[in-house]
Amino acid sequence: GAGVSQSPSNKVTEKGKDVELRCDPISGHTALYWYRQSLGQGLEFLIYFQGNSAPDKSGLPSDRFSAERTGGSVSTLTIQRTQQEDSAVYLCASSLATSGGYNEQFFGPGTRLTVL
Amino acid sequence: GESVGLHLPTLSVQEGDNSIINCAYSNSASDYFIWYKQESGKGPQFIIDIRSNMDKRQGQRVTVLLNKTVKHLSLQIAATQPGDSAVYFCAESGWGGKLIFGQGTELSVKP
Repeated sequence: GAGVSQSPSNKVTEKGKDVELRCDPISGHTALYWYRQSLGQGLEFLIYFQGNSAPDKSGLPSDRFSAERTGGSVSTLTIQRTQQEDSAVYLCASSLATSGGYNEQFFGPGTRLTVL
Repeated sequence: GESVGLHLPTLSVQEGDNSIINCAYSNSASDYFIWYKQESGKGPQFIIDIRSNMDKRQGQRVTVLLNKTVKHLSLQIAATQPGDSAVYFCAESGWGGKLIFGQGTELSVKP
């Protein structure tokens, strides 16, 4: 079985443009998480999906950030009107159903976003 | 707010020696504490986790110790190898299984 995949691996955009980042979780994993890792920093939680719903969006830094998940599988993280401070590596992880608790998360390789 | 932090940002060890990476946490309500390894250009890779009702758990060449009295977590790597060179993150579980990460310790193994 394939692991978590993310695309694109690298994205360079101009300030003010919108970007979409894609995550394909491991088949059968109902929980999906997005994290952000700024240069030399730890990972910062953004949003959590259980199936297609997002019970925890508390980590999204502003209303320019949104995410959706369709068919309980693929998820897209959208950043509107990108700013230079949005430059970071965006990581996606998936796990089996959590029922509000912890299960081992498997991470994708990330998308490196650079906003010029 | 919740936070997980690391005592040392870098650690350099000789190949074959044991490594100890430390972490402090602040949220006593977390159910699990987890260690991840991240190599350059890759996503974090799970190493080992420990439930909050345990104080020690062993894996292959790794041991995690949890001291709830002082809110301290450590990762011990036995017979450190060059392939162990990476950044190590501790994390604690939050609601919904989300992870709250520390800043990371870079482990460098000298041959």
